[in-house]
Amino acid sequence: DTGVSQDPRHKITKRGQNVTFRCDPISEHNRLYWYRQTLGQGPEFLTYFQNEAQLEKSRLLSDRFSAERPKGSFSTLEIQRTEQGDSAMYLCASSPGSEQFFGPGTRLTVL
Amino acid sequence: GIQVEQSPPDLILQEGANSTLRCNFSDSVNNLQWFHQNPWGQLINLFYIPSGTKQNGRLSATTVATERYSLLYISSSQTTDSGVYFCAVEGPTGGFKTIFGAGTRLFVKA
Repeated sequence: DTGVSQDPRHKITKRGQNVTFRCDPISEHNRLYWYRQTLGQGPEFLTYFQNEAQLEKSRLLSDRFSAERPKGSFSTLEIQRTEQGDSAMYLCASSPGSEQFFGPGTRLTVL
Repeated sequence: GIQVEQSPPDLILQEGANSTLRCNFSDSVNNLQWFHQNPWGQLINLFYIPSGTKQNGRLSATTVATERYSLLYISSSQTTDSGVYFCAVEGPTGGFKTIFGAGTRLFVKA
């Protein structure tokens, strides 16, 4: 069991560019979550997958954000036309049912 | 949705001291976890504790679900305990949304 991995760990982009992050959950964990965390705050829920189905999506997630989990394994989070307000840590977690296990996060900086 | 409040927001301890962190939540919950976020941002699982009491070394936690609060006890604190402690809950009426508190920022002085 290698834990949840995320790639890249850091991303610097210019405003208006698109970015994509990847999350590889712990194998056989059917639940996958994405969160966003800004400085000094707790993680904010973005979206939830059970296997390949996206079952919950926060109203925080504007139409510039999209997430996928093809085949119920890894997941991607894409942000289109990035804005400076998108700068944050993006966290992924997986779960076999109840307890969530987090990856190291991807830190996004939008210049 | 569920509201989660953590107290105190900040805590400074001398090494060796004991402390209690509190998490209040506004509705019944299915799941409750305590995490420690280290200086590199990694969230480390401490306890999965929707009810009852658990202990792990110098740490223990108690959740009283009927009164809607959970407590995290740290005994004989060490400098490596520094960081931010989060409580996170998932409720039956909130779908699959997990709500985090704002955290307690702990600094342990040598």
